[in-house]
Amino acid sequence: GQQLNQSPQSMFIQEGEDVSMNCTSSSIFNTWLWYKQDPGEGPVLLIALYKAGELTSNGRLTAQFGITRKDSFLNISASIPSDVGIYFCAGQLDSGYSTLTFGKGTMLLVSP
Amino acid sequence: NAGVTQTPKFRILKIGQSMTLQCTQDMNHNYMYWYRQDPGMGLKLIYYSVGAGITDKGEVPNGYNVSRSTTEDFPLRLELAAPSQTSVYFCASASGRAETQYFGPGTRLLVL
Repeated sequence: GQQLNQSPQSMFIQEGEDVSMNCTSSSIFNTWLWYKQDPGEGPVLLIALYKAGELTSNGRLTAQFGITRKDSFLNISASIPSDVGIYFCAGQLDSGYSTLTFGKGTMLLVSP
Repeated sequence: NAGVTQTPKFRILKIGQSMTLQCTQDMNHNYMYWYRQDPGMGLKLIYYSVGAGITDKGEVPNGYNVSRSTTEDFPLRLELAAPSQTSVYFCASASGRAETQYFGPGTRLLVL
C-alpha cells in the first residue's frame, strides 16, 4: 500500500516557538490533509489542500501542498500549550471517492 | 448534533471472545470508515462503506466484519478476538469527499 513518511516523530519546544513538520510520499496524492489528535480523542481536521503549490492558513497554522504532489508541510507559529498533541498528515489519491493514507504522526509537546 | 458516537469507550476481551463495536453518526453521511490505531502508528483502514448496504475491505480487514444496514450505523464485529487486535478503534464518517472525515472519540480494546 501507500506509504507516508512523516517527520519529525516528536518535538519538544518552548511556548512561543515556531514548529515545522512534513510528510513525504513515493506516490502522488491529489489531496493532502492535516489532522490533530488530542490525548484520548479522535483526530480533528485542521487543514485540507487540493492543489499542487497551494498554501492555506488556519489561524496560526499554515500548510502547503508540495509542487511535486509528493509532499506537504505544516507550520505552527507562536506555539501555545494547547498545541500539544499528535499531528497526522494524510493523503488521498483521487478527488472522488478514495481512502486516506495516514502518516505515523508527529507528537508535539510544548513547555510553558 | 452529536456527530460520530462510538460505544463502548473501553473494553477488555479474552482471547477467542467476540464483540461488536458500535458507531453511529447523525450527519446523514454516506461514507463511513473503521480505522485502528496502534501505539506510535498512524491510522490503518479496516473497512469502509460508501452507503447503506455497501461495504468494502480496507488495508487490514482480517479478523473483522462489518455491516451497513442503515445510513446512520456502521458496526464493526470481532468474531474471535486475538491479542493482535489490541488497539484503539476509530470510526469516521464523511460527506461526498474524504477531506471532511469526522472521527468519533474511539474505542480502546484490550485482548488478553
